[in-house]
Amino acid sequence: GQSLEQPSEVTAVEGAIVQINCTYQTSGFYGLSWYQQHDGGAPTFLSYNALDGLEETGRFSSFLSRSDSYGYLLLQELQMKDSASYFCAVSGRDDKIIFGKGTRLHILP
Amino acid sequence: DAGVIQSPRHEVTEMGQEVTLRCKPISGHNSLFWYRQTMMRGLELLIYFNNNVPIDDSGMPEDRFSAKMPNASFSTLKIQPSEPRDSAVYFCASSPQQGNTEAFFGQGTRLTVV
Repeated sequence: GQSLEQPSEVTAVEGAIVQINCTYQTSGFYGLSWYQQHDGGAPTFLSYNALDGLEETGRFSSFLSRSDSYGYLLLQELQMKDSASYFCAVSGRDDKIIFGKGTRLHILP
Repeated sequence: DAGVIQSPRHEVTEMGQEVTLRCKPISGHNSLFWYRQTMMRGLELLIYFNNNVPIDDSGMPEDRFSAKMPNASFSTLKIQPSEPRDSAVYFCASSPQQGNTEAFFGQGTRLTVV
């Protein structure tokens, strides 16, 4: 089966940098992706890593280490609008996309 | 494209009634997923279709739940009979290819069973 672990909550200050970690267990791993969900909204795709290393998209970056079954999402220059829940998700050989329980990011002014 | 379209957005029903949730995936997407989201259990994958064929329904909680995809542009999730513990937000998502890298979510259906 598949399982993912990520912190339930993280708090950071506006303008700062925050890292949200994710560890996973899965068979037939294809890649790790990240989604953002605001209260009352739908999850929206942020990034996808299939290979080891860092992928950067504007203020957001995502990292993957396949050997450690570990990844993280890095958010820089935090803005109040970044307050949301962030989910890591694994894609496997079976083509399913399985999500972690999500990390609620609180941003203080 | 209008994105993944789900209906209804909100549904309130009495215990024991049948509930049908509807989803129109993005045109051209081959994969369709139904998820259920609750505070306690997070985003649970219920069932996954590829090219209209159910590939994995191991997440469907009970026989009361069923899903169909009669064609590439429409899917339904049915709960019969509904129970209060089925109250949740149900999301449909579609993805353009196998080896799915990105899922596009609908706005969800908030189901309340009283």
